[in-house]
Amino acid sequence: EAGVVQSPRYKIIEKKQPVAFWCNPISGHNTLYWYRQNLGQGPELLIRYENEEAVDDSQLPKDRFSAERLKGVDSTLKIQPAELGDSAVYLCASSGGTGQGINEQYFGPGTRLTVT
Amino acid sequence: AQTVTQSQPEMSVQEAETVTLSCTYDTSESDYYLFWYKQPPSRQMILVIRQEAYKQQNATENRFSVNFQKAAKSFSLKISDSQLGDAAMYFCAYGGSNYKLTFGKGTLLTVNP
Repeated sequence: EAGVVQSPRYKIIEKKQPVAFWCNPISGHNTLYWYRQNLGQGPELLIRYENEEAVDDSQLPKDRFSAERLKGVDSTLKIQPAELGDSAVYLCASSGGTGQGINEQYFGPGTRLTVT
Repeated sequence: AQTVTQSQPEMSVQEAETVTLSCTYDTSESDYYLFWYKQPPSRQMILVIRQEAYKQQNATENRFSVNFQKAAKSFSLKISDSQLGDAAMYFCAYGGSNYKLTFGKGTLLTVNP
């Protein structure tokens, strides 16, 4: 079974530029999460999708961050414009397959964003 | 809001020995899940073990086991027969009714040959 796929793995951009991250969850997983992990910290949830619906985006900085999950499969997280403080690892996770609890989340390798 | 505390920023263990990583949490919920995730330098978070709060029996997965003390809100991870490949950052995580995971700050485990 293929795991959660993310791209790119690394991205370096200048501040004020836009950036986008892509995630393909595990097949059959209806729930998709985007987390941000700052250096030396645990991941923090940005947004959770149930199929196409964003059911929890309370931690998403909506002035510059946006996300979409068209057709309830792949998802894209965008930052526009990026700020220096956005430098972090952005992790995608999915859950909800057959036999799994909704809380059991499987993570992708992440995208390391550096804003200069 | 739930909080997860890992009081050991770093731990080290000799290969083949046993090490225990500590985790405490705070919640007002009675039904929830607890997890230990491993994050090697490659960065991919790997689920190590999970525990349902309603189960009194401690979860085990091969060399990994937990000591779940619900009243004390404690959830420690024991790694037996430590191997070099166990070296990683370990995160304790809480999963409750809002379906999101709340993570601790992690414990960096070093395994010495």
